[in-house]
Amino acid sequence: AQKITQTQPGMFVQEKEAVTLDCTYDTSDPSYGLFWYKQPSSGEMIFLIYQGSYDQQNATEGRYSLNFQKARKSANLVISASQLGDSAMYFCAMREGLGRGSTLGRLYFGRGTQLTVWP
Amino acid sequence: KAGVTQTPRYLIKTRGQQVTLSCSPISGHRSVSWYQQTPGQGLQFLFEYFSETQRNKGNFPGRFSGRQFSNSRSEMNVSTLELGDSALYLCASSRGDNEQFFGPGTRLTVL
Repeated sequence: AQKITQTQPGMFVQEKEAVTLDCTYDTSDPSYGLFWYKQPSSGEMIFLIYQGSYDQQNATEGRYSLNFQKARKSANLVISASQLGDSAMYFCAMREGLGRGSTLGRLYFGRGTQLTVWP
Repeated sequence: KAGVTQTPRYLIKTRGQQVTLSCSPISGHRSVSWYQQTPGQGLQFLFEYFSETQRNKGNFPGRFSGRQFSNSRSEMNVSTLELGDSALYLCASSRGDNEQFFGPGTRLTVL
């Protein structure tokens, strides 16, 4: 079974509008972390935002916020006031077993959503 | 603070050759992970090193290997290259649970 599912291969949004990128995850581990990364055409993965499974509040980083719905196992990324420079591929990822040291670095990635922002 | 650096950025090899890619993590980060990214398979985990020990390994053949040095720099090696090894190879470094920062990647083309 896929650990991370991103059902939107592509999304289009007009500049200055908000957009939500969907992500659902599958894990039986009670301790996990969820990440969103942006990958422009240059290839570098840029860290955007992190949400821990025990965090009580939704994470926010500037124009990025993570809509964390634990019971539904979803971790959608919301980008407010889209900019042309937001056009890129966006990946949702998960790390399991936080704090136990058993899987320190392994991230499971979704297939990504290609976001296009138009003027 | 310098980010994760990877060298070389681009590489062209022919089938059967071997290749070594290098990754220098962010200062103070002791964990280094490697990923392969292809259009068909997406992002796949290769392996992770922490304090010179391999902690975790993905589902790749033995042609893919790696190591980490005492200064946390890491190398990965692919022997007997195949056309399917053409990919973007990404290295990430981490100090804790809630962070993993990636380098710019090495784009390998196998002809």
